[in-house]
Amino acid sequence: QVQLVQSGAEVKKPGASVKVSCKASGYTFTSYDINWVRQATGQGLEWMGWMNPNSGNTGYAQKFQGRVTMTRDTSISTAYMELSSLRSEDTALYYCARGNEGAPDYWGQGTLVTVSS
Amino acid sequence: QAGLTQPPSVSKGFRQTATLTCTGNSNNVGNQGAAWLQQYQGHPPKLLSYRNDNRPSGISERFSASRSGNTASLTITGLQPEDEADYYCSAWDSSLSAVVFGGGTKLTVL
Repeated sequence: QVQLVQSGAEVKKPGASVKVSCKASGYTFTSYDINWVRQATGQGLEWMGWMNPNSGNTGYAQKFQGRVTMTRDTSISTAYMELSSLRSEDTALYYCARGNEGAPDYWGQGTLVTVSS
Repeated sequence: QAGLTQPPSVSKGFRQTATLTCTGNSNNVGNQGAAWLQQYQGHPPKLLSYRNDNRPSGISERFSASRSGNTASLTITGLQPEDEADYYCSAWDSSLSAVVFGGGTKLTVL
């Protein structure tokens, strides 16, 4: 079955960077885009960007351009999202989600990133 | 960036029908169609429908989606207590080259 398993919770100081991983299984990793979406506590979903694991092409939400980098390692079917210059407002649950026909059909369990001094 | 518009909350009775709406524009919902997601507190979202009216396998027929112009709708028939959740719509916006989400609707089953 399709599974996306994300790395564990992180605590970072303001100004630092965080890199979250998302390991895919149960399907051909390079056949579907990976999206990254975040959700602050009690808030809605916020799209951060997408990556094509086959080509490595990416597209980022304007809000995160310059601060986010999405990469992959096809040898281990894993996608990565790195967010830099962290601030307290970046404290949120970060999800990876597989893109299928323009919709996020399978989601990781989420990775809590806490930014605190 | 601009998102899709959803009512913050909807309340309906047990076994009734709820219709949730999602309004966008011609660059997103009106062009690419919408997807609908269900989220229980503390869990990741779950895809209920995509490209307006396509339902992934395993999703109950009680959930049906449609679109009219720039507004997408999710209709849930025979409401059950377990339908009480947050519902989000999403769409690809061709002018922003980005996915946009609605703010979410909290559905309460009375």
